[in-house]
Amino acid sequence: NAGVTQTPKFRVLKTGQSMTLLCAQDMNHEYMYWYRQDPGMGLRLIHYSVGEGTTAKGEVPDGYNVSRLKKQNFLLGLESAAPSQTSVYFCASARQTNTEAFFGQGTRLTVV
Amino acid sequence: DAKTTQPPSMDCAEGRAANLPCNHSTISGNEYVYWYRQIHSQGPQYIIHGLKNNETNEMASLIITEDRKSSTLILPHATLRDTAVYYCIVSSGANSKLTFGKGITLSVRP
Repeated sequence: NAGVTQTPKFRVLKTGQSMTLLCAQDMNHEYMYWYRQDPGMGLRLIHYSVGEGTTAKGEVPDGYNVSRLKKQNFLLGLESAAPSQTSVYFCASARQTNTEAFFGQGTRLTVV
Repeated sequence: DAKTTQPPSMDCAEGRAANLPCNHSTISGNEYVYWYRQIHSQGPQYIIHGLKNNETNEMASLIITEDRKSSTLILPHATLRDTAVYYCIVSSGANSKLTFGKGITLSVRP
């Protein structure tokens, strides 16, 4: 039981490049989330999903897209990376409302 | 979701209880209080949550005042490994979204 796994763990992109971050959970959770964390700050919600095939915008969705084609996977895409998207990205999942969320170990992304 | 207010930092001695306060004066009736912590730059770790009653698990205790406007997380016997940023979060449970503030940095000294 791996919990929440994020791929990759580190990545350096050039401005304008695209990439996809993968989040996989093996707990059969309905809810999945993508957060970003900038230095000295708390986590901010980018997008989330309440079930397979559904997605919704969070607090800071601009510049990102997501997809939840399979229940266990939640993908975060950057179509044209910008230096402002340099951050640590965390994925999380939860079984249902008012239950604990499980977080991955993060993806450190640098856009130069 | 209601906002929370936490002091920026506190410290305690190893082996002693750490009492971390949180104010959430605008909390509404269906909102839960959650505590998570983040050790160094790892992913946040769930600690405990509650609605009205005090809660206890193997990690900590959560004391919520009767008016629900504040709460205290208690780590009964702090160790050096408890040094982390602790986040107090109020969430209505709608889609289980969590709104993180800056948290409180707990430093446990030997």
